[in-house]
Amino acid sequence: KQEVTQIPAALSVPEGENLVLNCSFTDSAIYNLQWFRQDPGKGLTSLLLIQSSQREQTSGRLNASLDKSSGRSTLYIAASQPGDSATYLCAVYFGGNKLVFGAGTILRVKS
Amino acid sequence: DAGVIQSPRHEVTEMGQEVTLRCKPISGHNSLFWYRQTMMRGLELLIYFNNNVPIDDSGMPEDRFSAKMPNASFSTLKIQPSEPRDSAVYFCASSFSGTTGELFFGEGSRLTVL
Repeated sequence: KQEVTQIPAALSVPEGENLVLNCSFTDSAIYNLQWFRQDPGKGLTSLLLIQSSQREQTSGRLNASLDKSSGRSTLYIAASQPGDSATYLCAVYFGGNKLVFGAGTILRVKS
Repeated sequence: DAGVIQSPRHEVTEMGQEVTLRCKPISGHNSLFWYRQTMMRGLELLIYFNNNVPIDDSGMPEDRFSAKMPNASFSTLKIQPSEPRDSAVYFCASSFSGTTGELFFGEGSRLTVL
């Protein structure tokens, strides 16, 4: 069964800290992986999309890496800010018309 | 550019009533997805359209649920009759190239069935 797991489930850090969110998946034959952010009561906002041929993608203070062989992706957030507080979701496209979502990591950045 | 637009944002109805949720995808996108999000089950794909044609409806819970995409700029998700267990947030998402492309979500329609 193709599954996506995110660790930790929740994370609380002081403002300014660099942090890493983890995503693992059970099948290394993926097409792409996408990181999303979801604020309370809102939809999902796409942060980064990594194709299977890529090792990482960067956008501003965000850097996402992909290691297919180990079935892992990390989302690195530099110099965290209170505005980064949200739920972060990892989604993997294994094929077959369906993105498989992780349960998310709830991030709280304290000022 | 406008993103994916969904309506209504909130819907409260009584059990047995018909509910229609609407979605306008991003202009130029050829794929549209309906998802449902609950605390217990997370995000679940209900149905996927490509070029207005339903490709995968294996996630549609039962016959009470139906979805249409009459043209490239509009889709509906209908529940008839609604039940309390249908209470959830329903998201519409679109992309330029199916699930291989970047997915963009609407703000969601929060449905409460009493």
